[in-house]
Amino acid sequence: SQKIEQNSEALNIQEGKTATLTCNYTNYSPAYLQWYRQDPGRGPVFLLLIRENEKEKRKERLKVTFDTTLKQSLFHITASQPADSATYLCALNSGGYQKVTFGTGTKLQVIP
Amino acid sequence: EAQVTQNPRYLITVTGKKLTVTCSQNMNHEYMSWYRQDPGLGLRQIYYSMNVEVTDKGDVPEGYKVSRKEKRNFPLILESPSPNQTSLYFCASSPRKGDWYEQYFGPGTRLTVT
Repeated sequence: SQKIEQNSEALNIQEGKTATLTCNYTNYSPAYLQWYRQDPGRGPVFLLLIRENEKEKRKERLKVTFDTTLKQSLFHITASQPADSATYLCALNSGGYQKVTFGTGTKLQVIP
Repeated sequence: EAQVTQNPRYLITVTGKKLTVTCSQNMNHEYMSWYRQDPGLGLRQIYYSMNVEVTDKGDVPEGYKVSRKEKRNFPLILESPSPNQTSLYFCASSPRKGDWYEQYFGPGTRLTVT
Protein backbone atom coordinates (compact mmCIF):
# COMPACT_ATOMS: atom_id res chain seq x y z
CA SER A 1 0.00 0.00 0.00
CA GLN A 2 1.03 3.60 -0.42
CA LYS A 3 2.44 5.33 2.62
CA ILE A 4 4.20 8.54 3.62
CA GLU A 5 5.97 8.41 6.98
CA GLN A 6 7.60 11.26 8.83
CA ASN A 7 10.26 10.15 11.25
CA SER A 8 8.63 10.89 14.52
CA GLU A 9 5.61 12.65 15.89
CA ALA A 10 7.78 14.96 17.96
CA LEU A 11 11.37 16.11 17.92
CA ASN A 12 13.04 18.22 20.61
CA ILE A 13 16.35 19.94 19.98
CA GLN A 14 18.48 22.58 21.63
CA GLU A 15 18.54 26.10 20.22
CA GLY A 16 21.41 26.60 17.79
CA LYS A 17 21.58 22.96 16.72
CA THR A 18 20.53 21.58 13.35
CA ALA A 19 17.14 19.91 13.22
CA THR A 20 16.77 17.06 10.72
CA LEU A 21 13.32 15.81 9.80
CA THR A 22 12.71 12.75 7.66
CA CYS A 23 10.03 11.92 5.13
CA ASN A 24 9.92 8.37 3.75
CA TYR A 25 7.46 7.18 1.15
CA THR A 26 6.40 3.80 -0.20
CA ASN A 27 4.83 2.91 -3.53
CA TYR A 28 4.86 6.44 -4.90
CA SER A 29 6.87 7.84 -7.78
CA PRO A 30 6.59 11.55 -7.11
CA ALA A 31 7.70 14.16 -9.58
CA TYR A 32 8.20 16.58 -6.68
CA LEU A 33 8.12 16.77 -2.92
CA GLN A 34 7.19 19.78 -0.80
CA TRP A 35 7.69 20.86 2.79
CA TYR A 36 5.23 22.99 4.73
CA ARG A 37 5.17 24.52 8.17
CA GLN A 38 2.01 24.52 10.28
CA ASP A 39 1.45 26.46 13.47
CA PRO A 40 -1.35 25.48 15.88
CA GLY A 41 -4.78 26.52 14.62
CA ARG A 42 -3.44 27.78 11.29
CA GLY A 43 -3.19 26.56 7.74
CA PRO A 44 0.09 25.14 6.44
CA VAL A 45 2.61 27.52 4.90
CA PHE A 46 4.72 26.46 1.93
CA LEU A 47 8.48 26.38 2.57
CA LEU A 48 10.33 24.49 -0.17
CA LEU A 49 9.80 22.27 -3.17
CA ILE A 50 12.28 19.84 -4.66
CA ARG A 51 11.88 18.00 -7.96
CA GLU A 52 12.74 14.37 -8.65
CA ASN A 53 15.82 15.33 -10.67
CA GLU A 54 17.18 17.61 -7.94
CA LYS A 55 19.35 16.35 -5.10
CA GLU A 56 19.28 19.38 -2.85
CA LYS A 57 17.56 22.75 -2.43
CA ARG A 58 18.39 25.56 -0.01
CA LYS A 59 16.58 28.62 1.27
CA GLU A 60 18.24 30.66 3.99
CA ARG A 61 18.59 28.27 6.99
CA LEU A 62 16.55 25.54 5.33
CA LYS A 63 17.86 22.67 3.24
CA VAL A 64 15.96 19.84 1.60
CA THR A 65 17.39 16.71 0.01
CA PHE A 66 15.57 14.19 -2.13
CA ASP A 67 16.79 10.64 -2.73
CA THR A 68 14.47 8.81 -5.12
CA THR A 69 16.46 5.58 -4.70
CA LEU A 70 15.99 5.54 -0.95
CA LYS A 71 12.53 7.10 -1.38
CA GLN A 72 13.38 9.66 1.22
CA SER A 73 13.55 13.41 1.76
CA LEU A 74 15.46 15.09 4.57
CA PHE A 75 14.57 18.57 5.81
CA HIS A 76 17.23 20.46 7.76
CA ILE A 77 16.94 23.65 9.78
CA THR A 78 20.35 24.98 10.72
CA ALA A 79 20.99 27.26 13.72
CA SER A 80 17.50 26.46 14.98
CA GLN A 81 15.58 29.02 17.00
CA PRO A 82 12.58 28.74 19.33
CA ALA A 83 10.56 30.51 16.61
CA ASP A 84 11.15 27.43 14.41
CA SER A 85 8.95 25.39 16.76
CA ALA A 86 6.01 24.14 14.70
CA THR A 87 4.73 21.06 12.91
CA TYR A 88 6.45 20.33 9.61
CA LEU A 89 4.64 18.46 6.87
CA CYS A 90 5.99 16.82 3.77
CA ALA A 91 3.80 16.38 0.72
CA LEU A 92 4.21 14.74 -2.67
CA ASN A 93 2.21 14.50 -5.83
CA SER A 94 0.44 11.20 -5.83
CA GLY A 95 -1.41 11.18 -9.15
CA GLY A 96 -0.32 13.36 -12.03
CA TYR A 97 0.96 16.68 -10.76
CA GLN A 98 -2.27 17.84 -9.22
CA LYS A 99 -3.18 15.24 -6.63
CA VAL A 100 -1.21 15.83 -3.44
CA THR A 101 -0.72 13.56 -0.45
CA PHE A 102 0.63 14.81 2.87
CA GLY A 103 2.51 13.05 5.63
CA THR A 104 1.17 13.29 9.17
CA GLY A 105 3.87 15.74 10.22
CA THR A 106 6.64 16.08 12.77
CA LYS A 107 6.21 18.47 15.68
CA LEU A 108 9.49 20.26 16.27
CA GLN A 109 10.23 21.91 19.59
CA VAL A 110 13.34 24.07 19.83
CA ILE A 111 14.38 24.49 23.43
CA PRO A 112 16.12 27.75 24.44
CA GLU B 1 -3.74 41.52 0.62
CA ALA B 2 -3.31 38.23 -1.22
CA GLN B 3 -5.24 35.58 0.64
CA VAL B 4 -7.51 32.57 0.75
CA THR B 5 -10.63 33.10 2.84
CA GLN B 6 -13.00 30.50 4.23
CA ASN B 7 -16.42 30.89 5.78
CA PRO B 8 -17.56 30.04 8.30
CA ARG B 9 -14.53 29.54 10.52
CA TYR B 10 -16.49 27.48 13.01
CA LEU B 11 -19.67 25.51 12.49
CA ILE B 12 -21.69 23.16 14.64
CA THR B 13 -24.49 21.35 12.86
CA VAL B 14 -26.65 18.26 13.10
CA THR B 15 -26.58 15.07 11.10
CA GLY B 16 -28.26 15.36 7.73
CA LYS B 17 -28.53 19.14 7.52
CA LYS B 18 -26.95 20.27 4.24
CA LEU B 19 -24.18 22.81 4.55
CA THR B 20 -21.74 24.70 2.38
CA VAL B 21 -18.30 25.95 3.33
CA THR B 22 -17.15 28.74 1.05
CA CYS B 23 -13.62 29.31 -0.17
CA SER B 24 -12.43 32.32 -2.10
CA GLN B 25 -9.00 33.45 -3.32
CA ASN B 26 -7.99 36.84 -4.72
CA MET B 27 -4.75 35.75 -6.42
CA ASN B 28 -6.20 34.61 -9.75
CA HIS B 29 -4.95 31.08 -9.10
CA GLU B 30 -6.00 28.30 -11.42
CA TYR B 31 -5.68 25.44 -8.96
CA MET B 32 -7.79 25.07 -5.82
CA SER B 33 -8.17 22.20 -3.40
CA TRP B 34 -9.96 21.08 -0.26
CA TYR B 35 -8.39 19.09 2.59
CA ARG B 36 -9.54 17.74 5.90
CA GLN B 37 -7.18 17.36 8.83
CA ASP B 38 -7.73 14.80 11.57
CA PRO B 39 -5.45 13.83 14.49
CA GLY B 40 -3.17 10.97 13.53
CA LEU B 41 -4.30 11.03 9.90
CA GLY B 42 -2.86 14.34 8.79
CA LEU B 43 -4.10 16.37 5.86
CA ARG B 44 -6.09 14.42 3.32
CA GLN B 45 -7.18 15.81 -0.01
CA ILE B 46 -10.93 15.75 -0.67
CA TYR B 47 -11.27 17.36 -4.10
CA TYR B 48 -9.22 19.59 -6.31
CA SER B 49 -9.89 21.79 -9.30
CA MET B 50 -7.52 22.60 -12.12
CA ASN B 51 -9.65 25.45 -13.43
CA VAL B 52 -13.23 26.62 -13.89
CA GLU B 53 -15.57 23.66 -14.43
CA VAL B 54 -12.70 21.16 -13.97
CA THR B 55 -12.75 19.19 -10.73
CA ASP B 56 -11.46 15.79 -9.66
CA LYS B 57 -11.47 13.53 -6.63
CA GLY B 58 -8.72 13.45 -4.07
CA ASP B 59 -8.15 10.66 -1.58
CA VAL B 60 -11.32 11.05 0.51
CA PRO B 61 -14.16 12.43 -1.68
CA GLU B 62 -17.04 10.36 -0.26
CA GLY B 63 -19.79 12.49 1.25
CA TYR B 64 -18.58 15.73 -0.33
CA LYS B 65 -19.37 17.73 -3.44
CA VAL B 66 -17.62 20.70 -5.00
CA SER B 67 -18.21 23.10 -7.84
CA ARG B 68 -16.02 25.62 -9.64
CA LYS B 69 -18.19 28.06 -11.52
CA GLU B 70 -15.86 31.01 -11.05
CA LYS B 71 -12.08 31.03 -10.85
CA ARG B 72 -11.97 32.66 -7.42
CA ASN B 73 -14.52 30.44 -5.61
CA PHE B 74 -14.47 26.76 -4.74
CA PRO B 75 -17.25 25.85 -2.29
CA LEU B 76 -17.35 22.54 -0.42
CA ILE B 77 -20.82 21.04 -0.05
CA LEU B 78 -21.88 18.42 2.46
CA GLU B 79 -25.29 17.24 1.30
CA SER B 80 -26.00 15.08 4.36
CA PRO B 81 -23.31 15.57 6.99
CA SER B 82 -22.50 12.75 9.37
CA PRO B 83 -20.48 12.75 12.62
CA ASN B 84 -17.46 11.20 10.87
CA GLN B 85 -17.17 14.42 8.87
CA THR B 86 -16.34 16.32 12.04
CA SER B 87 -12.94 17.71 11.19
CA LEU B 88 -10.79 20.75 10.45
CA TYR B 89 -11.14 21.73 6.81
CA PHE B 90 -8.65 23.71 4.75
CA CYS B 91 -9.01 25.24 1.35
CA ALA B 92 -5.89 25.94 -0.69
CA SER B 93 -5.07 27.61 -3.97
CA SER B 94 -2.01 27.55 -6.17
CA PRO B 95 -0.64 29.30 -9.22
CA ARG B 96 0.48 27.09 -12.03
CA LYS B 97 4.28 27.13 -12.02
CA GLY B 98 5.32 24.69 -14.65
CA ASP B 99 3.97 21.33 -13.58
CA TRP B 100 3.99 21.76 -9.83
CA TYR B 101 1.89 23.57 -7.28
CA GLU B 102 2.93 25.68 -4.31
CA GLN B 103 -0.23 25.85 -2.25
CA TYR B 104 -1.55 28.79 -0.24
CA PHE B 105 -3.86 27.67 2.53
CA GLY B 106 -6.85 29.36 4.09
CA PRO B 107 -7.29 29.73 7.86
CA GLY B 108 -9.41 26.60 8.24
CA THR B 109 -13.01 25.77 9.13
CA ARG B 110 -13.67 23.69 12.21
CA LEU B 111 -16.80 21.62 11.63
CA THR B 112 -18.61 19.63 14.27
CA VAL B 113 -21.49 17.34 13.26
CA THR B 114 -23.60 16.04 16.13
